[in-house]
Amino acid sequence: DAGVTQSPTHLIKTRGQQVTLRCSPKSGHDTVSWYQQALGQGPQFIFQYYEEEERQRGNFPDRFSGHQFPNYSSELNVNALLLGDSALYLCASSLETPRETQYFGPGTRLLVL
Amino acid sequence: SQQGEEDPQALSIQEGENATMNCSYKTSINNLQWYRQNSGRGLVHLILIRSNEREKHSGRLRVTLDTSKKSSSLLITASRAADTASYFCATSKSAGTYKYIFGTGTRLKVLA
Repeated sequence: DAGVTQSPTHLIKTRGQQVTLRCSPKSGHDTVSWYQQALGQGPQFIFQYYEEEERQRGNFPDRFSGHQFPNYSSELNVNALLLGDSALYLCASSLETPRETQYFGPGTRLLVL
Repeated sequence: SQQGEEDPQALSIQEGENATMNCSYKTSINNLQWYRQNSGRGLVHLILIRSNEREKHSGRLRVTLDTSKKSSSLLITASRAADTASYFCATSKSAGTYKYIFGTGTRLKVLA
């Protein structure tokens, strides 16, 4: 049973560019959440997708957008990259019920130069 | 912004000793969870405690919750080198929210 997978594992971009990160949830899971984790900090909630819709969002600008596909996989898009977007991006999947237990992927480490 | 603050920020102990780390949070919660993270990679869910519970156990882990003090503690007994990791608490404000707010983490190092 495959766990949560994310791609790519590492990425280097320059300021102003756009990036797309991908996540495949754990088998059977229908809910995907995205988190940003800056170095030395705890993860910060970006948004959550369920039934292909964003249903809750953290304090992140509109430059951060996402999508969920019918197979429950998800993408995180970040436009107009800033140096401060450099972080580990984590995807977590869960069932709608119970939704408290999240399974995290290994993350994508993004470096913006 | 971070909801929780873990204390201490870093902890170094000998193998076999117990490790205790604390989490304080600011607002009322529905439940609190503890996670482990190895070397800046994905997080692993350890234990969940609901606001109406005071203590839970899972193997070598013991979690307490004091809602009056808005704090929780994680105790790892008989620590092993493999327990070396960062530990985070995460809180959910209500049953209807999908957003978990993580603390700043405690970096635990267990020396063999």
